[in-house]
Order: sequence, then structure tokens, then C-alpha cells
Amino acid sequence: GAGVSQSPSNKVTEKGKDVELRCDPISGHTALYWYRQRLGQGLEFLIYFQGNSAPDKSGLPSDRFSAERTGESVSTLTIQRTQQEDSAVYLCASSLVGGTGGAEQYFGPGTRLTVT
Amino acid sequence: KNEVEQSPQNLTAQEGEFITINCSYSVGISALHWLQQHPGGGIVSLFMLSSGKKKHGRLIATINIQEKHSSLHITASHPRDSAVYICAVRSWETSGSRLTFGEGTQLTVNP
Repeated sequence: GAGVSQSPSNKVTEKGKDVELRCDPISGHTALYWYRQRLGQGLEFLIYFQGNSAPDKSGLPSDRFSAERTGESVSTLTIQRTQQEDSAVYLCASSLVGGTGGAEQYFGPGTRLTVT
Repeated sequence: KNEVEQSPQNLTAQEGEFITINCSYSVGISALHWLQQHPGGGIVSLFMLSSGKKKHGRLIATINIQEKHSSLHITASHPRDSAVYICAVRSWETSGSRLTFGEGTQLTVNP
């Protein structure tokens, strides 16, 4: 079956513009995660959605970042007033279930964001 | 100090060698993941484990909960194994949902 897909694959934007990144999880996966990977650095957690529960937003770096998920399907990550330090690869992952026990996470190909 | 530390940061091996990558963590965990990131950036989950040992092909992952340590072994390494290997933990001490990642180990296997 289809894996996790993300769009766009690459995005170049000017400082101060808003961007929207999209993630389509694997069908039936109730948990969805957004991560960020800056150049040469490790992965950072941003936000987690589990079914209809309130999302865990504890990893969002500032109030310029927000994310939504429609039910158990598509999620969008929005960055307002982009800054150069937002340049990174934004990765989405989904898993069958979330929570403390969790399950194997399946990663999308990522969106490479460059803020000029 | 990072909650998850990997060693070594970089590893170069000759084809056929046995490889070990180590991961130590400082928090209580419910699960530990080993991930592989290819040169193009794609990430593949290799293992998720909470105790003991798992094996898949030439890859073996072990975890010692008491010592808060996990190892990833690659037997009969091959150039196609060249990638970044990432250890990540799901901690019940912080948030039950998020993964906390190590910095990764860059493995290069030469023919």
C-alpha cells in the first residue's frame, strides 16, 4: 500500500512569508507526528496527533508554528512569518497507534524548506 | 547532556566487517527505536524494542533496560549499509508520545 506522502518535496520562500506543508499518513494510522531536521543536526519532535485527542504541541518552537489534522487523515503544518532559522527538512511520520506504548513509525520523504 | 547519546559519531568499515553502534539514554523508556536514514534523506524504521533482542536479516538490535543501553549490530557489512543510523526513545518520564533522538551515527562501508 501507499506510504506516508508529503508535499511539496521542496519549498523555497522569502523571509517573512507564510508556508504550509502537507502530510498524508498511511490509511488507518491513528497517530501522526511532525519532526524537523536542521542541516547537520538530529531530528526534533514538533507535534503529535492521536485520533480525536488534543494534540501534543510541546515541541513547537514558537507561536509562528501551528498544525492541524482533519480526523485521522491529512495534516498541515503552517509556519507564519518564516525566518532563516526555519530552514530545515520537515518530516512527517504515522503509526497505527500512539501513546506510551506506541508502535513503529513510518516516515514520509520530507519537505525541504529553504528560507532566503 | 542529551537524553540520548550515540557512539561513535562516525564509523568507517571495510566490507564484511562486523559493526556495532551504541546508544545510551538517561530517562525511563517505554520503547527504543533504531532508524536508518539514507543519503537521500529517507528514514526507515529498523527496530522497535523494549526488552531483549531482535534480529532482521543481518541486523541485530539488543537492549539492556537496567543499564539503559542499546546496541545495533550489522553482520557481514556491505557498502549499501552506508547510512546514518539513529537511536530514538519513547520516554514515559517526558511525554508518552514523542520520540527523542540521538545525533546519529554516520556509517560508511567501503568495498
